[in-house]
Amino acid sequence: AQTVTQSQPEMSVQEAETVTLSCTYDTSESDYYLFWYKQPPSRQMILVIRQEAYKQQNATENRFSVNFQKAAKSFSLKISDSQLGDAAMYFCAYRPNYGGSQGNLIFGKGTKLSVKP
Amino acid sequence: DGGITQSPKYLFRKEGQNVTLSCEQNLNHDAMYWYRQDPGQGLRLIYYSQIVNDFQKGDIAEGYSVSREKKESFPLTVTSAQKNPTAFYLCACSKRSEQFFGPGTRLTVL
Repeated sequence: AQTVTQSQPEMSVQEAETVTLSCTYDTSESDYYLFWYKQPPSRQMILVIRQEAYKQQNATENRFSVNFQKAAKSFSLKISDSQLGDAAMYFCAYRPNYGGSQGNLIFGKGTKLSVKP
Repeated sequence: DGGITQSPKYLFRKEGQNVTLSCEQNLNHDAMYWYRQDPGQGLRLIYYSQIVNDFQKGDIAEGYSVSREKKESFPLTVTSAQKNPTAFYLCACSKRSEQFFGPGTRLTVL
């Protein structure tokens, strides 16, 4: 079975500092997508960043970047220059790609990030 | 503006009553999904639909039902058979790899 594990239920970071959120996954598939979603107190799910498994280059979106280690099945999220607005739940998610037909998203249980001023 | 909407934002139900949550999208996406979120849990898939007039059970479908009569709409009914329905419900749609989420409905059983 495909699973996603986030081993840090809560994390804290000082404003302007850098924090890394961990995610590991288990799959026998070779083609898939990985995502980080942010859920602020409004509870709206917002896509932060996406990684395609066949791309070796790590995805980046402004202050957000990932460290994708396919062999280790690891997909961590680094937030640089943390801002108060980054405080939220962060969910790691996996989605297999079956020859162009998308499988369903599988979510980790989330990491609650607090940002201290 | 294109997007995905859910209504109502808050919903209260008495035990033994069925209730229907609305999900509408104008993004022209084929696939739609319903998730349940509980404290300390990630999102769990209830039902999904890849095309109109077709839908599949997810991981926790018991006590729920759906319909997909139109591409834009994917309502979820929480039946009296659902033993613990108090939760936050999220609807999503997708066309390619990523899913886009609605704002959610908080259901409380009184």
